[in-house]
Amino acid sequence: GAGVSQTPSNKVTEKGKYVELRCDPISGHTALYWYRQSLGQGPEFLIYFQGTGAADDSGLPNDRFFAVRPEGSVSTLKIQRTERGDSAVYLCASSLILGGQGTEAFFGQGTRLTVV
Amino acid sequence: QQQVKQSPQSLIVQKGGISIINCAYENTAFDYFPWYQQFPGKGPALLIAIRPDVSEKKEGRFTISFNKSAKQFSLHIMDSQPGDSATYFCAASRRGNEKLTFGTGTRLTIIP
Repeated sequence: GAGVSQTPSNKVTEKGKYVELRCDPISGHTALYWYRQSLGQGPEFLIYFQGTGAADDSGLPNDRFFAVRPEGSVSTLKIQRTERGDSAVYLCASSLILGGQGTEAFFGQGTRLTVV
Repeated sequence: QQQVKQSPQSLIVQKGGISIINCAYENTAFDYFPWYQQFPGKGPALLIAIRPDVSEKKEGRFTISFNKSAKQFSLHIMDSQPGDSATYFCAASRRGNEKLTFGTGTRLTIIP
């Protein structure tokens, strides 16, 4: 595709439920990132994949959050036992890594998660 | 610990004027400093970025000024236009760990 695609664009779920958010990065981009953006705030880093492996998951807030990228392309962010405080826009971004250095990160439009 | 501090929180500039947004960072390991523009309902989009080997970078109406010793960088938008009205975020990252640390954002409004 032309850009980073995230689905669904909106998700409303009940407290305690499990949700999955999907990210399709730009074809050929080896690096993939998940961020969370609360209203009126800047994006906060969650996890960074280099290929299939999580290179840095230090931003995941707790063990209810998990992300996978099994084939090095599409990634899924999984949230268990959702809480109202998880409500936010979840952003995915991808980039090339050239010579050990990241290039421009392209963001998707995000998934707005609302936990009621 | 807020590693990138951004100001002002909001800014109103007259059409044709200069918009200036400032950021300061703490981590001296940062070596990549991008600015992102975000419209409502959209993801952030890269506007312009700088590495610390230069003190200024200009692309069209947008200029980044970088002061390594002060650990500060700023975005200047010349001849500001109503279409520039958006939220702007500064960010920083370091080679080898590409995660971006974002500032808190500046809501820019350009008035006719």
